[in-house]
Amino acid sequence: GAGVSQSPSNKVTEKGKDVELRCDPISGHTALYWYRQRLGQGLEFLIYFQGNSAPDKSGLPSDRFSAERTGESVSTLTIQRTQQEDSAVYLCASSLEARRMETQYFGPGTRLLVL
Amino acid sequence: QQQVKQSPQSLIVQKGGISIINCAYENTAFDYFPWYQQFPGKGPALLIAIRPDVSEKKEGRFTISFNKSAKQFSLHIMDSQPGDSATYFCAARGLETSGSRLTFGEGTQLTVNP
Repeated sequence: GAGVSQSPSNKVTEKGKDVELRCDPISGHTALYWYRQRLGQGLEFLIYFQGNSAPDKSGLPSDRFSAERTGESVSTLTIQRTQQEDSAVYLCASSLEARRMETQYFGPGTRLLVL
Repeated sequence: QQQVKQSPQSLIVQKGGISIINCAYENTAFDYFPWYQQFPGKGPALLIAIRPDVSEKKEGRFTISFNKSAKQFSLHIMDSQPGDSATYFCAARGLETSGSRLTFGEGTQLTVNP
């Protein structure tokens, strides 16, 4: 595959509904990251996965947020009981390894709007 | 707590001019400083990056200047072009207990007028 892909590209949901966002990393990349980008703001770290190690969930803003990754492939970010403040662009990135000078390659993001 | 502060929030430059974006950080554990460029509707893409053991890195029209003692670094875009119009994010990464997350600045929206 050419790059990181994310789906859906846009999602509109009603407050209180659950949503699931998907990320397909670059093949062979063992590290995968989720970030949130609110309108006009920088990217906020949410969670990262490195191989079979326990994920670093320290950036998740509440227990309504969770993420899973199947091996070294697809990841899903789930937001339960969505709130209006969850509206943002959710970006996924992958890198060969979770080392500090490895380039993170970003997907185009999923734009989530909670009405 | 915002660990990387970026300024200005927006910048308008004439074609051919120099665009300068500044960032300051607090965490002395940071030791890798990338800049990302983001076009509307796209994810950020790595533009250029620097380690703190050098004071300057240049790639084409893009230069990072790094001042370790002041904990500041900046991006200079020489001969700015309309195609450079985008949002630029500075970031930092280091040996934190959580691994290799990127901490981003708030972003600078650059507009280069023809």
